[in-house]
Amino acid sequence: KQEVTQIPAALSVPEGENLVLNCSFTDSAIYNLQWFRQDPGKGLTSLLLIQSSQREQTSGRLNASLDKSSGRSTLYIAASQPGDSATYLCARGTQAGTALIFGKGTTLSVSS
Amino acid sequence: DAGITQSPRHKVTETGTPVTLRCHQTENHRYMYWYRQDPGHGLRLIHYSYGVKDTDKGEVSDGYSVSRSKTEDFLLTLESATSSQTSVYFCAISESPGANQPQHFGDGTRLSIL
Repeated sequence: KQEVTQIPAALSVPEGENLVLNCSFTDSAIYNLQWFRQDPGKGLTSLLLIQSSQREQTSGRLNASLDKSSGRSTLYIAASQPGDSATYLCARGTQAGTALIFGKGTTLSVSS
Repeated sequence: DAGITQSPRHKVTETGTPVTLRCHQTENHRYMYWYRQDPGHGLRLIHYSYGVKDTDKGEVSDGYSVSRSKTEDFLLTLESATSSQTSVYFCAISESPGANQPQHFGDGTRLSIL
């Protein structure tokens, strides 16, 4: 069974700290890897998508990397802010157009 | 934000009643999905559609049916709701295969079955 694991489940950091969220997956036949943000009681907001042929993607203070050989992806957040507090989900796509397989998320709390 | 509207946003109903959730998109995307989100399980796929009248089952499809008669609408039906179907339901959309574009999600429907 294809699985996606996110560790830790929760993370608390002071404002300004750089941090890394981890995502690991079984089966290297990955189509793409997508990172989402979810605020409490809200839907999912797509942050970054890395195609299987890519190694990383960047958007503002966010950088996501993909290492298929080790089955890992990381989301790097630079200079964290209280507004970054949310749950971050990673999800892998296995075949064009089919469903994403989600991790259970890492809940980030950034204190001012 | 992607043009995805889910309705209703909240619903409380009783065990045994039928329930239909609607997902409407304005992006003309080919693929549409229904997921449920539960504590301890994360998001899991219920059904998805790859075109009008073309649907397939996901990981947790038992007790659910779907229909897609128009590109823009994807309906999820609980024929006889059970308490185990209390959850938050999310609709998502994506473009055609090969585009390798992200899935975009609606704001969710919170369904409580008493």
